[in-house]
Amino acid sequence: AQSVTQPDIHITVSEGASLELRCNYSYGATPYLFWYVQSPGQGLQLLLKYFSGDTLVQGIKGFEAEFKRSQSSFNLRKPSVHWSDAAEYFCAVGGLTGGGNKLTFGTGTQLKVEL
Amino acid sequence: ETGVTQTPRHLVMGMTNKKSLKCEQHLGHNAMYWYKQSAKKPLELMFVYNFKEQTENNSVPSRFSPECPNSSHLFLHLHTLQPEDSALYLCASSQGGTGGIPGYTFGSGTRLTVV
Repeated sequence: AQSVTQPDIHITVSEGASLELRCNYSYGATPYLFWYVQSPGQGLQLLLKYFSGDTLVQGIKGFEAEFKRSQSSFNLRKPSVHWSDAAEYFCAVGGLTGGGNKLTFGTGTQLKVEL
Repeated sequence: ETGVTQTPRHLVMGMTNKKSLKCEQHLGHNAMYWYKQSAKKPLELMFVYNFKEQTENNSVPSRFSPECPNSSHLFLHLHTLQPEDSALYLCASSQGGTGGIPGYTFGSGTRLTVV
């Protein structure tokens, strides 16, 4: 069974500081990994995804994530956080199956940015 | 414009009412999904449709009835709901089947309140 753990429920950072959100996954085959962001009352927007190749992937809004197979991790990073980055962030894992592309999501990390 | 449109954005209904949520995608995807997002709970997968066929029902109560008339449209029919069904209902789409590419595009959701 596939699963995702986001160990931090809430994180607070100061504007301009660096950010790292943790994600650990469990998946029986080669995983496809995603980070989504959700602003209040909105749907989820894709930040970035990893399928294969370079383990450091770049996404939108200045975010990046690094896939580490040995640690089963896919942590999200940003060098300098902006106040508009305050939102909830979800990590997800999935793959290609005959029954469709079912993604499993973590419980999310709520990011607060202090001015 | 996310490519996945959900209507209505907000819905208040009584426990004896019947209403429907609508989802429409213009991305050429052939898999569609309903998720439930409740406060302080992880995203719950409700239903999966691949090529108009339901391929997953995650033990959802029968008061929720999905319908997928074609690959572009997905409905969630609601009747005799309970207050605990109040949540944000998210629709998503993706390329389905073994040849598809994992990863969803989400709609903005319908905020449902059952009174």
